[in-house]
Amino acid sequence: NAGVTQTPKFQVLKTGQSMTLQCAQDMNHNSMYWYRQDPGMGLRLIYYSASEGTTDKGEVPNGYNVSRLNKREFSLRLESAAPSQTSVYFCASRTGSFNQPQHFGDGTRLSIL
Amino acid sequence: AQSVTQLGSHVSVSEGALVLLRCNYSSSVPPYLFWYVQYPNQGLQLLLKYTSAATLVKGINGFEAEFKKSETSFHLTKPSAHMSDAAEYFCAVSRFSGGYNKLIFGAGTRLAVHP
Repeated sequence: NAGVTQTPKFQVLKTGQSMTLQCAQDMNHNSMYWYRQDPGMGLRLIYYSASEGTTDKGEVPNGYNVSRLNKREFSLRLESAAPSQTSVYFCASRTGSFNQPQHFGDGTRLSIL
Repeated sequence: AQSVTQLGSHVSVSEGALVLLRCNYSSSVPPYLFWYVQYPNQGLQLLLKYTSAATLVKGINGFEAEFKKSETSFHLTKPSAHMSDAAEYFCAVSRFSGGYNKLIFGAGTRLAVHP
């Protein structure tokens, strides 16, 4: 029972490089989310997908793009990485029910030099 | 608008002592509230949730939280701290905006437990 799986777990990039963070869930959830976590700021929503085929911006979308490839997978892309994007990135998923919690992956620790 | 305030970014208790982590929310409608725990180098794990049923909610690992509408609070407690409780704790409120549900997180409280 894997839940939410994120790859890679760690990554170091140089400024200007691009990369895609992968996320997959096996719980048949409709909604998926990407957050970034920075010290003292809790989690901030980057993008979310309420259902397959839809995506929408969260609080801090600048510098990122997303793709909801199918119901299971939701990827986050950094087109031109900047040092300000050094962070821990979490993917989460949830059923369609409003009162249900989100389930989180273990995160991707990204450093941009 | 809905938001969450966690009082105290760091809390330190002795093993066996009461744990109290504070959370206040602002919401124009009855909220759905959650507490999550994050252990080092791991994702967030749900401790408990309030969804307008009982005001005293019991969660995993001996934690519980009481919803107090008059105080707009949802504080997390545990009668006796254990060393394994050392982690970061996040309070979150569910927000419905633009036709979609989102979670708004507090800044987190790091709990240290010392012998």
